[in-house]
Amino acid sequence: DAGVIQSPRHEVTEMGQEVTLRCKPISGHDYLFWYRQTMMRGLELLIYFNNNVPIDDSGMPEDRFSAKMPNASFSTLKIQPSEPRDSAVYFCASSLAQGAGGYTFGSGTRLTVV
Amino acid sequence: QKEVEQNSGPLSVPEGAIASLNCTYSDRGSQSFFWYRQYSGKSPELIMSIYSNGDKEDGRFTAQLNKASQYVSLLIRDSQPSDSATYLCAVRSGATNKLIFGTGTLLAVQP
Repeated sequence: DAGVIQSPRHEVTEMGQEVTLRCKPISGHDYLFWYRQTMMRGLELLIYFNNNVPIDDSGMPEDRFSAKMPNASFSTLKIQPSEPRDSAVYFCASSLAQGAGGYTFGSGTRLTVV
Repeated sequence: QKEVEQNSGPLSVPEGAIASLNCTYSDRGSQSFFWYRQYSGKSPELIMSIYSNGDKEDGRFTAQLNKASQYVSLLIRDSQPSDSATYLCAVRSGATNKLIFGTGTLLAVQP
């Protein structure tokens, strides 16, 4: 099992540019989560999907953020336009079931907006 | 009040000692509790889960849960330098069913 795969590992972009982060969950997992981690705020849940359907996006900070899951093996988190305060590590995680066990995290994408 | 609170540390213990990490949560309806370990520059890794009051042991790790006090702890026996990491407490909210993380406690085990 390759685990949760995220790309890119690092992204440096200029303010105002569009950024797309990608995630491939563990095969068979039907829940997918996007988290953001900063020193000040820790791990924050942005949005999660169940069977490719967005269930709760209340953590998405602004309309500049959007997420999609077109199929069971792929999800994207897009920021347009990006701002310096978006700089953080973005993690994708997946789980087999919402009510059982913890989540498996990907390696994360370190985003720097200059 | 934060939903999940942890002391940020750093907590420094000598090698071989017991490290005690604590966490409190605000949602009384929470049913599932987890401890994750995160090495610097790495992703969180699940090390313990606990669902009922009392103790749960797994090797050198013991998780303790007291729902009446809304308190979760993690004990690490015979601490090793390789245990040096940030330990994140996570609680599945009874209201939203979402996994909410504390900001983590940095543990430093001194050789």
